[in-house]
Amino acid sequence: ETAVFQTPNYHVTQVGNEVSFNCKQTLGHDTMYWYKQDSKKLLKIMFSYNNKQLIVNETVPRRFSPQSSDKAHLNLRIKSVEPEDSAVYLCASSHRDREDTQYFGPGTRLLVL
Amino acid sequence: GQQVQQSPASLVLQEGENAELQCNFSSTATQLQWFYQSPGGSLVSLLSNPSGTKHTGRLTSTTVTKERRSSLHISSSQTTDSGTYLCAISVSGSFNKLTFGAGTRLAVCP
Repeated sequence: ETAVFQTPNYHVTQVGNEVSFNCKQTLGHDTMYWYKQDSKKLLKIMFSYNNKQLIVNETVPRRFSPQSSDKAHLNLRIKSVEPEDSAVYLCASSHRDREDTQYFGPGTRLLVL
Repeated sequence: GQQVQQSPASLVLQEGENAELQCNFSSTATQLQWFYQSPGGSLVSLLSNPSGTKHTGRLTSTTVTKERRSSLHISSSQTTDSGTYLCAISVSGSFNKLTFGAGTRLAVCP
């Protein structure tokens, strides 16, 4: 049963455009994450949010910005996309304090032309 | 930084055979998860096993923390097991951020 929801499933855009991806979890977790999976299928952490506070910010370009309205939602905005941003973006959630199992959404596949 | 190495990179089995997947990591892990990623891309958590042995269905994971390694055993493989198996760890003080290995791509033939 899906408990981490992501929209859209797929997005095609052109270089320089702005895109925004949404993520919502219904598990009552207090921490959410964004991961990027590149063309070589390697998954890397981008951001982690705990109770609306950024607690991990890997060295991603400034054009990426996470946005959270509450602990159940974590969106990702990309200003002025570049070709190398083409990837699958995966949202996940967990309980931080228990270093609990992370649950992943289905991903948003971005293609930048 | 932390590194997670998985082997083999790919594996082809006949249906009914067993598979043994390996994960080695460079730091002491406080959390270790095995994931399955379908050919369609969705990521599913299989087992959370930072130490010891855990079973679920046809899957058995054994993690030896002090040796920084974990294995995933799949018994009596089925064609529906085909996909990529990913190992991921987090370490103390990392706020539970996961570092992933590159995965083992499994193909089970009928």
